[in-house]
Amino acid sequence: EVQLVESGGGLVEPGRSLRLSCAASGFPFHNYGMHWVRQAPGKGLEWVSGISRNSGQTGYADSVKGRFIISRDNAKNSLYLQMNSLSTDDTALYYCAKAWKEGGDSYFGMDLWGQGTTVRVS
Amino acid sequence: AVVTQEPSLTVSPGGTVTLTCGSSSGPVASNLYPYWFQQKPGQAPRTLIYDTSRKHSWTPARFSGSLLGGKAALTLSGAQPGDEAYYYCMLFFGDTFVFGTGTEVTVL
Repeated sequence: EVQLVESGGGLVEPGRSLRLSCAASGFPFHNYGMHWVRQAPGKGLEWVSGISRNSGQTGYADSVKGRFIISRDNAKNSLYLQMNSLSTDDTALYYCAKAWKEGGDSYFGMDLWGQGTTVRVS
Repeated sequence: AVVTQEPSLTVSPGGTVTLTCGSSSGPVASNLYPYWFQQKPGQAPRTLIYDTSRKHSWTPARFSGSLLGGKAALTLSGAQPGDEAYYYCMLFFGDTFVFGTGTEVTVL
């Protein structure tokens, strides 16, 4: 069974940094692209960032480009999101999601999702 | 690009409803690889459709994806009370994904 468990959320002051983690299990993590998606309270979904299976390709939403960095450690089956210069607009539930397609050099869209970790900037 | 969806739709139990997904950058075609997600209150999203019309093993047969009049479309045929949820589309623009504004579907 695929499991994606996010952690690292919390309350942080504006301008500070936070690092989210996603522990993956139940599938060959090193063979799949991964994503971070967020949802502000009472709002819709917003794609944040994606990374290919070998970290060769990464992408970011304009709203986080230059502030957030996505990375992964395939040896630890873990995905990360380093969030810098946080603002109140970054307050959201952050989901980790697995890409649907195995292999390839890009980050295909997501099929399975974690339950999320909450980030509050105040 | 801005991806737009109907804010809300209502369907009768057993009825059929079609949700659409449009893009401010032009017609939606298969090269934007439309996705559809269902989200119920307090739950993580669930992926229903990928690559315009492909279904996952968990996608109920009553959901189908297509392209319709320059938009991506999700059709729910034989709606059930449990299908009440928010539905989001998502499009791929080269190196970024953009979610739609979401549609609240009520089964009434």
